[in-house]
Amino acid sequence: NAGVTQTPKFRVLKTGQSMTLLCAQDMNHEYMYWYRQDPGMGLRLIHYSVGEGTTAKGEVPDGYNVSRLKKQNFLLGLESAAPSQTSVYFCASSYRGAGANVLTFGAGSRLTVL
Amino acid sequence: LAKTTQPISMDSYEGQEVNITCSHNNIATNDYITWYQQFPSQGPRFIIQGYKTKVTNEVASLFIPADRKSSTLSLPRVSLSDTAVYYCLVGDETDKLIFGTGTRLQVFP
Repeated sequence: NAGVTQTPKFRVLKTGQSMTLLCAQDMNHEYMYWYRQDPGMGLRLIHYSVGEGTTAKGEVPDGYNVSRLKKQNFLLGLESAAPSQTSVYFCASSYRGAGANVLTFGAGSRLTVL
Repeated sequence: LAKTTQPISMDSYEGQEVNITCSHNNIATNDYITWYQQFPSQGPRFIIQGYKTKVTNEVASLFIPADRKSSTLSLPRVSLSDTAVYYCLVGDETDKLIFGTGTRLQVFP
């Protein structure tokens, strides 16, 4: 099994451009999450989903949108990228709520906004 | 969501046992305690999870006292490859997880 796959792994954007990060999991997990991690910092939750067709805001949702049209996919969109969104983005999934279940993370997507 | 407090950093030498303590004074009845490990440029990886008393697996032990207001991750005989950031998280099955800044463990030869 591939686990959690994130695409792309690297991306450079100019300020104001838009892009979408794709997260795919093959473990039939209900819950999916998007985190961002700035250098030397911990992970901050952007948005999450508790099932197909649902999304909810995390700690730092501003400037991002998400969609969960299929159970196995969780998309993170940046409509108008800003330099402050330069970060490493991690997707994760879990069978149920991550507090009592194991979170499986992807390898990360490194985004640079110039 | 119960908040956690853990040391920002710790140093150790190869072959020593390392204990990282996490404080979670307002842990709720249904909350579990979970530890993750993160290497540079990688996503966090699950280490161990427990609810009470002691849990042991092939890589670590987790000690939880009766009041569950703290927990201790024990890494036996660390090696250089254990140099990483370790996160303690508390939550139940309905929770999203909020990560703190973690404990940066540096293992020296």
